Amino acid sequence: GESVGLHLPTLSVQEGDNSIINCAYSNSASDYFIWYKQESGKGPQFIIDIRSNMDKRQGQRVTVLLNKTVKHLSLQIAATQPGDSAVYFCAENLTGRRALTFGSGTRLQVQP
Amino acid sequence: GAVVSQHPSRVICKSGTSVKIECRSLDFQATTMFWYRQFPKQSLMLMATSNEGSKATYEQGVEKDKFLINHASLTLSTLTVTSAHPEDSSFYICSARDQAGNYNSPLHFGNGTRLTVT
Repeated sequence: GESVGLHLPTLSVQEGDNSIINCAYSNSASDYFIWYKQESGKGPQFIIDIRSNMDKRQGQRVTVLLNKTVKHLSLQIAATQPGDSAVYFCAENLTGRRALTFGSGTRLQVQP
Repeated sequence: GAVVSQHPSRVICKSGTSVKIECRSLDFQATTMFWYRQFPKQSLMLMATSNEGSKATYEQGVEKDKFLINHASLTLSTLTVTSAHPEDSSFYICSARDQAGNYNSPLHFGNGTRLTVT
């Protein structure tokens, strides 16, 4: 079936570097995408979202890029900090469906 | 704003017993809440959609008689795991979207319930 998936299961970066987490989706009917951060033992925390009529959106230290041509989503974190260490999930919302479908997740490890 | 509270955060029960998990939206009303399950080092999988005042909608492969959902008010949904078995041990997470929001808006998640069945 159609799903959301990730290229890299684990990403290790040095503190202060920029991080890029990637996500591939296969459902062209998806019209809304979200990135969540999940720390150990906690629920997912909203980071940033983007609608399919956009290709870029910026937040505080984070940027989400959407490439609909190749069905690719990325999350860029600037000046990565130890507190950014967590598992990051992309999620998609199929048109007309109320729930979110999650990708497999990427663990970000920030080395001091 | 948009806080979802889940209780309990952890529960250990014996095989064959039932466990109830509560999910509350604290500062908004939600006609719909979503229950996810997450196994260690895996992603979140949607179990069911809880609808206020009507029956829940279950995803394929999820037993509705085992995972009883009740959505009695606009701020409370409960998930009861009946006759729990060790394979039901997992992290259960609820979520909701402010009913004023459209579908293209974030889900807000509770902090999950770690269920261990011995």
